[in-house]
Amino acid sequence: GAVVSQHPSWVICKSGTSVKIECRSLDFQATTMFWYRQFPKQSLMLMATSNEGSKATYEQGVEKDKFLINHASLTLSTLTVTSAHPEDSSFYICSASLVVGLAGRTRRDTQYFGPGTRLTVL
Amino acid sequence: ELKVEQNPLFLSMQEGKNYTIYCNYSTTSDRLYWYRQDPGKSLESLFVLLSNGAVKQEGRLMASLDTKARLSTLHITAAVHDLSATYFCAVGMLNSGGSNYKLTFGKGTLLTVNP
Repeated sequence: GAVVSQHPSWVICKSGTSVKIECRSLDFQATTMFWYRQFPKQSLMLMATSNEGSKATYEQGVEKDKFLINHASLTLSTLTVTSAHPEDSSFYICSASLVVGLAGRTRRDTQYFGPGTRLTVL
Repeated sequence: ELKVEQNPLFLSMQEGKNYTIYCNYSTTSDRLYWYRQDPGKSLESLFVLLSNGAVKQEGRLMASLDTKARLSTLHITAAVHDLSATYFCAVGMLNSGGSNYKLTFGKGTLLTVNP
């Protein structure tokens, strides 16, 4: 249980275009989802915390107008990279924090990670 | 600002040997996580350590937490090739609303187990 999916798994786009990445919790409801970015051979850096029905909280240094986050339902959050540039090429990973779910088998304070989306901007 | 330091960053070991990965962090926390990441893949949760003195074991991996020393260790016993991966520790800090733990990751340890 506690499965998180991401779509697409990889995307190649031209510089200046926008790309939308979806993050879904498949078998549980997540009032909070997190978006991370990972550059090659580096660690994960938290970009923003996405709360259902409210504005996302961005980490310092992350441009909110460039990385648009929408958390429209308890199972879906989207990250849109607007006017993408080559320096935005990265591995984007979402995670979902369990609120209600599989009793006795999941923990409120555990984040379940999606499989990631590899973005390449040409 | 919370800092999480892992060492070593690179570890090459022979099958059958034992080794320990260390994770130090700078601010008091009661949540410490260990994850495994295979190349091109996302994170797999290994352990969640919730209290001082916590010890958890799964197969050849054992994790412990000393909150007073702000130190967690991931011990590998009799390594096998399948354990080759990057291992991350992450420290959880409760957000301002008190509803969720925000994770700060270490830089990761790239483990290579050689036959």
